[in-house]
Amino acid sequence: SYVLTQPPSVSVAPGKTARITCGGNNIGSKSVHWYQQKPGQAPVLVIYYDSDRPSGIPERFSGSNSGNTATLTISRVEAGDEADYYCQVWDSSSDSNWVFGGGTKLTVL
Amino acid sequence: EVQLVESGGGLVQPGRSLRLSCAASGFTFDDYAMHWVRQAPGKGLEWVSGISWNSGSIGYADSVKGRFTISRDNAKNSLYLQMNSLRAEDTALYYCAKDTYSSSSGLSYFDYWGQGTLVTVSS
Repeated sequence: SYVLTQPPSVSVAPGKTARITCGGNNIGSKSVHWYQQKPGQAPVLVIYYDSDRPSGIPERFSGSNSGNTATLTISRVEAGDEADYYCQVWDSSSDSNWVFGGGTKLTVL
Repeated sequence: EVQLVESGGGLVQPGRSLRLSCAASGFTFDDYAMHWVRQAPGKGLEWVSGISWNSGSIGYADSVKGRFTISRDNAKNSLYLQMNSLRAEDTALYYCAKDTYSSSSGLSYFDYWGQGTLVTVSS
């Protein structure tokens, strides 16, 4: 089955740029989606199709995907961005088609 | 406004059954595939099961295959998850999520999520 690997944690100072990676075999050939989950809340979509933003998501959130790594970038990080972030892909090669990464805890210092 | 409201969770003994429901509103329910995603306490997200708009395509995670059954009633705008032979490792918050297409594919993603219903499997 397809595996997505995320770093367990990323720390960044307010106003700086946070980069959260999602590794997978030839992930660049897949569409990657990113979800933000704050404590006690349901996940919220922040990036779809590698780099598109849903309405209401700040432009500070961006994404890229190439080779074996997809990246969620959060510019000018704010305290309110502190959350868990999960990447997701559709894997057509297995019956369990939807795969999530293990999640990354973003800490704003 | 899209709303997904899960219900049916609770405390259940190992080996017993439970049925979860998800009531959908604010969109044309029978136009979209739907999913169940769970999150064990302190852990990450795990896709559990998904169903296409007309129930013609259904998928399960290996961890629940043969024990869980997903279904939907388009007339009632409702999604269900029948969970049998429950195990301690099934303890989790179960989310209902809406797909962006009528059947899941490489083009779809999950654009709306409910708040979840907690299932605790313990003796």
